[in-house]
Amino acid sequence: EAQVTQNPRYLITVTGKKLTVTCSQNMNHEYMSWYRQDPGLGLRQIYYSMNVEVTDKGDVPEGYKVSRKEKRNFPLILESPSPNQTSLYFCASSSLGSPKDGELFFGEGSRLTVL
Amino acid sequence: AQSVTQLGSHVSVSEGALVLLRCNYSSSVPPYLFWYVQYPNQGLQLLLKYTSAATLVKGINGFEAEFKKSETSFHLTKPSAHMSDAAEYFCAVSFNQAGTALIFGKGTTLSVSS
Repeated sequence: EAQVTQNPRYLITVTGKKLTVTCSQNMNHEYMSWYRQDPGLGLRQIYYSMNVEVTDKGDVPEGYKVSRKEKRNFPLILESPSPNQTSLYFCASSSLGSPKDGELFFGEGSRLTVL
Repeated sequence: AQSVTQLGSHVSVSEGALVLLRCNYSSSVPPYLFWYVQYPNQGLQLLLKYTSAATLVKGINGFEAEFKKSETSFHLTKPSAHMSDAAEYFCAVSFNQAGTALIFGKGTTLSVSS
């Protein structure tokens, strides 16, 4: 089954404790992206990656890091989480150059609370 | 700069009534437009997309949207609402067909009452 898998789905942590949210896709997609969803603000892009070792900032990259060492994985790293990073996070992937262009496949989301 | 505005953060309809969710965009280049739906506790999934092939686009679950360049709009409609349509709907704009740089609207929550 084609899917984007995020872990953990739910996490409560404390300020300053480094954490990583993993994202893996099994569709051999070149493009992967992280979004955060906050009430009244919709989805805002954090980082994206066009392919292995190619990453770029989105609209709200501050406080986050990413890496793309393998095509299927795109982890989101919070080096020193703060309460304003409490949010619902989504990973998404897409192929490039196929008839399905334009369709982002989303994971089920990771709800993060930073105390 | 590109942007998308969804009019109405919350829309309520009765089962069987017309669903109309409004989306207006601004773009300096021909846009690609998308509607995504998010059911409770799930990720987003693509409802439909406009990529300049046809102005009236049909999507899944009986939804459709019409691209109107003169009005810079891409409103989502469904003739008859079902209870299962209750969800949050997001309009998004991109300047490339791959949709890799999507800008999302703030979303409209659709409630359907019996």
